[in-house]
Amino acid sequence: DAKTTQPNSMESNEEEPVHLPCNHSTISGTDYIHWYRQLPSQGPEYVIHGLTSNVNNRMASLAIAEDRKSSTLILHRATLRDAAVYYCILRDITGYNFNKFYFGSGTKLNVKP
Amino acid sequence: NAGVTQTPKFQVLKTGQSMTLQCAQDMNHEYMSWYRQDPGMGLRLIHYSVGAGITDQGEVPNGYNVSRSTTEDFPLRLLSAAPSQTSVYFCASSYLRSGSKETQYFGPGTRLLVL
Repeated sequence: DAKTTQPNSMESNEEEPVHLPCNHSTISGTDYIHWYRQLPSQGPEYVIHGLTSNVNNRMASLAIAEDRKSSTLILHRATLRDAAVYYCILRDITGYNFNKFYFGSGTKLNVKP
Repeated sequence: NAGVTQTPKFQVLKTGQSMTLQCAQDMNHEYMSWYRQDPGMGLRLIHYSVGAGITDQGEVPNGYNVSRSTTEDFPLRLLSAAPSQTSVYFCASSYLRSGSKETQYFGPGTRLLVL
């Protein structure tokens, strides 16, 4: 299973940008980078994913390093509702492990008003 | 669509008792899975299924059984509950297609306490 490393916790002020880092030095060429988040007392929800290029959607942006050994989830304007645990997951799109998601401990984001 | 539903929301068991955690989805997803989440930790994959009649083990399968007789349902059975199985259990589903676009949809979770 591919491994990711994230800080245990981060803090942000409301309406300021947040950059959540993830290291994945053993990433393979067929691994996509997925981000999920888990709001308190809820199941995880999808945030964004990418392979090599930076990606944007309505929730966030994903910046991927050129060597793909790290990535950063960017919340452009944090709100109190963004307080959650954010998980960075590598997903192998080929072969047997395609549907095995491995969650690490994630980063707990605290947003201050 | 109701999405992924789980019952019960909360359950207390005594050691040695058996029970089944129910999971259903109405999105016609081929793939379904079960995770457990212990306090302060990430989710760990227990079992998963890629279609009716097909199941496989995940990271922590011991003590749990699954079966998949229909596309919609994927129950998780604890045959003899142990205190170490105290956890929050999440069911998830997704389409099963090549590529990375298939996101997983998670249920609200079942909180299980084994005394």
